[in-house]
Amino acid sequence: AAGVIQSPRHLIKEKRETATLKCYPIPRHDTVYWYQQGPGQDPQFLISFYEKMQSDKGSIPDRFSAQQFSDYHSELNMSSLELGDSALYFCASSYLGAYEQYFGPGTRLTVT
Amino acid sequence: GIQVEQSPPDLILQEGANSTLRCNFSDSVNNLQWFHQNPWGQLINLFYIPSGTKQNGRLSATTVATERYSLLYISSSQTTDSGVYFCAVETSGSRLTFGEGTQLTVNP
Repeated sequence: AAGVIQSPRHLIKEKRETATLKCYPIPRHDTVYWYQQGPGQDPQFLISFYEKMQSDKGSIPDRFSAQQFSDYHSELNMSSLELGDSALYFCASSYLGAYEQYFGPGTRLTVT
Repeated sequence: GIQVEQSPPDLILQEGANSTLRCNFSDSVNNLQWFHQNPWGQLINLFYIPSGTKQNGRLSATTVATERYSLLYISSSQTTDSGVYFCAVETSGSRLTFGEGTQLTVNP
């Protein structure tokens, strides 16, 4: 069965650089979520989109922005990167913004 | 916001042993999921179980929504079961709130 696809899987950036993470949801899923997991921590919700509209917002820094496109894929844009942004970033998708969320393999971002 | 507490925080088992992981939550939920995060960081869906009991092979889960807790049972544990087990709940807005996880180590 098709799963959530994230790219890239690994990313190394320097402080103050920008990064773009991409997420391709499971076919026919219309809702995408982004989570951030710091070292030794549990995943924290950042933002979600339902039918290309922002549906919920968590503790996402103002330096981050995201959107969902017409084909339902989503991108998380991160600017002015800080050392503390080093984390595992997960994308998840679901159908109708309800029921089970399925997680992608994650993008490991390292900021040096 | 909702509080999610998992216990125990750490668990060390010998291969073949059984275990029970607990998840308590502070409010009514629409959704509850159990995940296994393997040593490579991948979050594997184990159960979607807002209420009732489900079984999948050596794993089973029970959620008693009225008493605000869920249990994950692992039987005949194997070394590949090692990793972190997360409970996550959804109340409104569809975001998942995770517990701090149970770190499971299964020794051969």
